[in-house]
Amino acid sequence: AQSVTQPDIHITVSEGASLELRCNYSYGATPYLFWYVQSPGQGLQLLLKYFSGDTLVQGIKGFEAEFKRSQSSFNLRKPSVHWSDAAEYFCAVGARSGYSTLTFGKGTMLLVSP
Amino acid sequence: EAGVAQSPRYKIIEKRQSVAFWCNPISGHATLYWYQQILGQGPKLLIQFQNNGVVDDSQLPKDRFSAERLKGVDSTLKIQPAKLEDSAVYLCASSLGTSTGELFFGEGSRLTVL
Repeated sequence: AQSVTQPDIHITVSEGASLELRCNYSYGATPYLFWYVQSPGQGLQLLLKYFSGDTLVQGIKGFEAEFKRSQSSFNLRKPSVHWSDAAEYFCAVGARSGYSTLTFGKGTMLLVSP
Repeated sequence: EAGVAQSPRYKIIEKRQSVAFWCNPISGHATLYWYQQILGQGPKLLIQFQNNGVVDDSQLPKDRFSAERLKGVDSTLKIQPAKLEDSAVYLCASSLGTSTGELFFGEGSRLTVL
């Protein structure tokens, strides 16, 4: 069974500083990988996804993520955080076959300090 | 393009009462998902429909939860009788097909069971 680990429950970053949110997955092969963001009281919005090809993927709002097969990781990064980035971030993994669905991590809450 | 619509946004009930949530997916999306998101956790899949057929309900507590997707469009999730541990946000999502791709989420229905 696939699983996702997001080791950081909360992260606080100063506005303008860089950000890296960690994500490790467990899956027998190369999965599909996603990062979603959830603002308070809102649904989840897709930031970016990895299906194949270039292991560095670009997403919306200036986010990027790098797939590292050897480390089973898909960490999310942003070079300069804005106060509006404060939200909860979820990493998700999906299988490449069948009626696959997404398995989510427990999320990382990002707090942005002035 | 209209997004995934859910109602009600908030519901408070007493334990042992029943509740129903409604979801209208994005037009043309064949796959519909119901996720349960307990506070502090990532979304957990309850049930996945492909058109009006169920493709995964392995994590649906079938003694109290039921879901249907009549005519392959709208869906209803019902809980009867509710327990305290059912307090959560119920997220509906839809996608174009069955292979893992982008899921589009509604804003969720927040249930509080007293």
